[in-house]
Amino acid sequence: DAEITQSPRHKITETGRQVTLACHQTWNHNNMFWYRQDLGHGLRLIHYSYGVQDTNKGEVSDGYSVSRSNTEDLPLTLESAASSQTSVYFCASSASTIALEQYFGPGTRLTVT
Amino acid sequence: AQSVTQLGSHVSVSEGALVLLRCNYSSSVPPYLFWYVQYPNQGLQLLLKYTTGATLVKGINGFEAEFKKSETSFHLTKPSAHMSDAAEYFCAVSAPYSSASKIIFGSGTRLSIRP
Repeated sequence: DAEITQSPRHKITETGRQVTLACHQTWNHNNMFWYRQDLGHGLRLIHYSYGVQDTNKGEVSDGYSVSRSNTEDLPLTLESAASSQTSVYFCASSASTIALEQYFGPGTRLTVT
Repeated sequence: AQSVTQLGSHVSVSEGALVLLRCNYSSSVPPYLFWYVQYPNQGLQLLLKYTTGATLVKGINGFEAEFKKSETSFHLTKPSAHMSDAAEYFCAVSAPYSSASKIIFGSGTRLSIRP
């Protein structure tokens, strides 16, 4: 069955370190998204990609970057981790070019100490 | 621009009781509307969606939602709660034919089920 996987599922890192969260999907979807989930804020869009070599900033992109070298993967990099980036991160993908349903991975819980 | 408001960050009901989770939206055009469920330590899963047509939408696990344009609402209901329904529920809105990134999520409602 097609799926989205994220790794690691849990990560503890120190302030100032670079961290990369992996996202891999086997749906063969063109669109991929990264969200962060914080209490009281729901999901907020960090970055997204509509295809290989395409990346775009979302609502809360400062301090994050992504790259898309193939259809399956969209890694999220925190250039210099900050305590404010402690959160749960979700990767999602979708097939449609319009705003229909997205398929989510299981999430990565990141703690920055 | 679209926005969505979920009324009540936490709802608690007894097992067997009616579940009602409230969602109101704001949209300048007829919206697409979604309900997602998030079980503990899992990602979001689509419960149901409204795009066009019938305003009463049935989803998985016995849930349904009704699109009411006059009330700008898309409340989620289930006649009889089960313990397994305990989860976080997110309402989401998008504009038809907007780009794939333009789904706006509500802040979520945590549903607890009392034995």
